[in-house]
Amino acid sequence: QSALTQPASVSGSPGQSITISCTGSSNDVGGYKYVSWYQQHPGKAPKLMIYEVNIRPSGVSDRFSGSKSGYTASLTISGLQAEDEADYYCSSYTSTSTHVFGTGTKVTVL
Amino acid sequence: EVHLLESGGGLGQPGRSLRLSCVASGFTFRTHAMSWVRQAPGKGLEWVSSISGSGGSKYYAGSVKGRFTISRDNSKSTLSLQMNSLRVEDTAVYYCAKEPDNGDYGPRSFDFWGQGTLVTVSS
Repeated sequence: QSALTQPASVSGSPGQSITISCTGSSNDVGGYKYVSWYQQHPGKAPKLMIYEVNIRPSGVSDRFSGSKSGYTASLTISGLQAEDEADYYCSSYTSTSTHVFGTGTKVTVL
Repeated sequence: EVHLLESGGGLGQPGRSLRLSCVASGFTFRTHAMSWVRQAPGKGLEWVSSISGSGGSKYYAGSVKGRFTISRDNSKSTLSLQMNSLRVEDTAVYYCAKEPDNGDYGPRSFDFWGQGTLVTVSS
């Protein structure tokens, strides 16, 4: 199972909106609603930000939103803040009952 | 409050074995699937293995299938990963992660994570 494809880096100024893409196939992103997004600060454990494409867990800011179209899922961060600077990973359930993560995107707040 | 504490990491030699453990608290352990996810130094996340709440269903990544065995003891709220035939490429931080459901159909998402334990495979 190959990793899902994400851009290596995305940047934006405080207050702006950015979008991170996550491209897979019909065997993962395109075939299921079980797409999640994780935030990871350096040296820390990942944190769930979005699950089932567009659902935010309790406590996650509503500045984070998710969507999906075809084989590509997206995470949008609106009103970008300095604390949003981190690595972000998408992931998906797969047709073989396994799980696959994306390649990861480093978000930089300019 | 959910708490996951991994242990058992350290230095292992190629071809030898290591066993990781994860003690859980703050939720009803037996009703949630659990997983191991690893991250090689400076690299991205890689799903390793998952086990359903009952322990009756187990899932493995192709890179570890046949070498690693996942198990759980619901009476002790403990998740384990037996790692045999270690390879240099198994070097990573291993995270224990909780799933939001019982996992009868495979791993769908991971809502809480431990802080990880470092495994280094080297001669």
